[in-house]
Amino acid sequence: DGGITQSPKYLFRKEGQNVTLSCEQNLNHDAMYWYRQDPGQGLRLIYYSQIVNDFQKGDIAEGYSVSREKKESFPLTVTSAQKNPTAFYLCASIQSSTGAGELFFGEGSRLTVL
Amino acid sequence: QQQVKQSPQSLIVQKGGISIINCAYENTAFDYFPWYQQFPGKGPALLIAIRPDVSEKKEGRFTISFNKSAKQFSLHIMDSQPGDSATYFCAARNTGGFKTIFGAGTRLFVKA
Repeated sequence: DGGITQSPKYLFRKEGQNVTLSCEQNLNHDAMYWYRQDPGQGLRLIYYSQIVNDFQKGDIAEGYSVSREKKESFPLTVTSAQKNPTAFYLCASIQSSTGAGELFFGEGSRLTVL
Repeated sequence: QQQVKQSPQSLIVQKGGISIINCAYENTAFDYFPWYQQFPGKGPALLIAIRPDVSEKKEGRFTISFNKSAKQFSLHIMDSQPGDSATYFCAARNTGGFKTIFGAGTRLFVKA
C-alpha cells in the first residue's frame, strides 16, 4: 500500500541534543512538507520541498533543518537551537510539483524534550 | 492575510445532532478549501474539499457551505455519531501556492 511512513513514532531527547525525524513516501509525490502541531495552534509549516535538492523555509523554520536528496525521503532535524521542540511533527506530500491536489499525511512523530 | 480563523475550539454534540464548524479567511487568492479530520495519535486525512465556484458540496453526512462574498466557509456534520469524535481542521490554499494554511482546529466530541 502506498503511503507516508514516519519514524520514530515517539522520541525523547535531552536538552541540547539534535534529533532527526524520518519521513519516507512511496506515492511518487513530488512535493513534501513538514508541519508542527501544538494544541490549539493548528498545523504550522516548518519546511517544504517541491523537487529533489531544493527546499524552502516555511513559517517556523528557525531551529530546524531538512534535506531532500531523494524524491521519496525528506528527513527533518530538530536542532538544539529550537527553543521549544516538544511537539507532534507531521510529514505530508502532494503529488504535483505545482502544489495542486490533496495533502497526504503520515502518522506523525511525537518528540518530547526532557 | 494568510490566516484562517476557525471556531469553535471545541464542540460537544449529542448523537444524531448537527455539528457545525466555521472558518473565515482574508486572502482572496485562496481557491481551494479542504477540511481534514484527525483522530488522536494519527495524521490528518482529507475529509471533503470545495472550490469557490460552488456554494455547497455534500458527501454523505458531511456538507461544506461556502460564502465567497463573506469569505467564510463551514462544515456541517449531519446525524453526528460517536465515531465522528475527532479534531477537524479547515484549510485554504491558492493554485500554484505551495502553502496550505490551516485553522487552529476544532475538537468534536459526540455523546452517545
